[in-house]
Amino acid sequence: SQKIEQNSEALNIQEGKTATLTCNYTNYSPAYLQWYRQDPGRGPVFLLLIRENEKEKRKERLKVTFDTTLKQSLFHITASQPADSATYLCALEKDTGRRALTFGSGTRLQVQP
Amino acid sequence: DAGITQSPRYKITETGRQVTLMCHQTWSHSYMFWYRQDLGHGLRLIYYSAAADITDKGEVPDGYVVSRSKTENFPLTLESATRSQTSVYFCASTWDKGNQETQYFGPGTRLLVL
Repeated sequence: SQKIEQNSEALNIQEGKTATLTCNYTNYSPAYLQWYRQDPGRGPVFLLLIRENEKEKRKERLKVTFDTTLKQSLFHITASQPADSATYLCALEKDTGRRALTFGSGTRLQVQP
Repeated sequence: DAGITQSPRYKITETGRQVTLMCHQTWSHSYMFWYRQDLGHGLRLIYYSAAADITDKGEVPDGYVVSRSKTENFPLTLESATRSQTSVYFCASTWDKGNQETQYFGPGTRLLVL
C-alpha cells in the first residue's frame, strides 16, 4: 500500500541552527512532492514544490531535496528562528495528474530562542 | 474578499443530525477538496472535485456526501453525524493548469458530534 512517513516525534532545535525534516514514501511514483507549513488552529500553507527531475530547490532559508531512488525528500530550514516553529507536512499526488494529495502526518518543529 | 472561506468555523451537533459544511473560493479554481484532520492520522482526503458536477471519492468518503453545482462552492454534508466524525475539516482548491499544483486551504471547520 502507499505510505508517506515523517518523523512523528517533535524536533527541537536551537535558534540559528539548521532544521532537517525527513519525508519517506513507498509505492508512489510521484511527478512532484510538496511541503506545507501548518500553524495551530490554521489550515496548511504551501511552501515548496519539487519535481521528479529536480534534485534540489531553494526559497530564501528553505531548501528541499528529492531523491526518487531513495524515495525520500529532505526539508531544511537554515538559520532557524522561533517563528519557524510549526508543523511541516509533506504531500504527494495520490494518482498522477489528478491533483488529490496524500499527506504525511507531519513533523512538529520547535525552535528554542 | 478573495480567497477560500469555510463556514461555519465551529459547529456542535448531535449524533444522527444532518450537517452541511460550506466552502467557497473566489479564484475560479477547477479543483476543490475536502480533508479531515485528526490526531494520529494527519490530513485525509474525503472527496474531491475536478470541476462543476464532477466529484470523486477520496480515502475516507463513507458517511459524507458532496455536490458541486457551481465552480466556486463545494459543500460537504454529513447525512447522519456520528461521533467518529468529530474532527477538523479543511477545504482546499487548486488550478487544473499544468505546473500549478499548489493547494490553497481554508481556515477549517471544527466539528464536535455529541
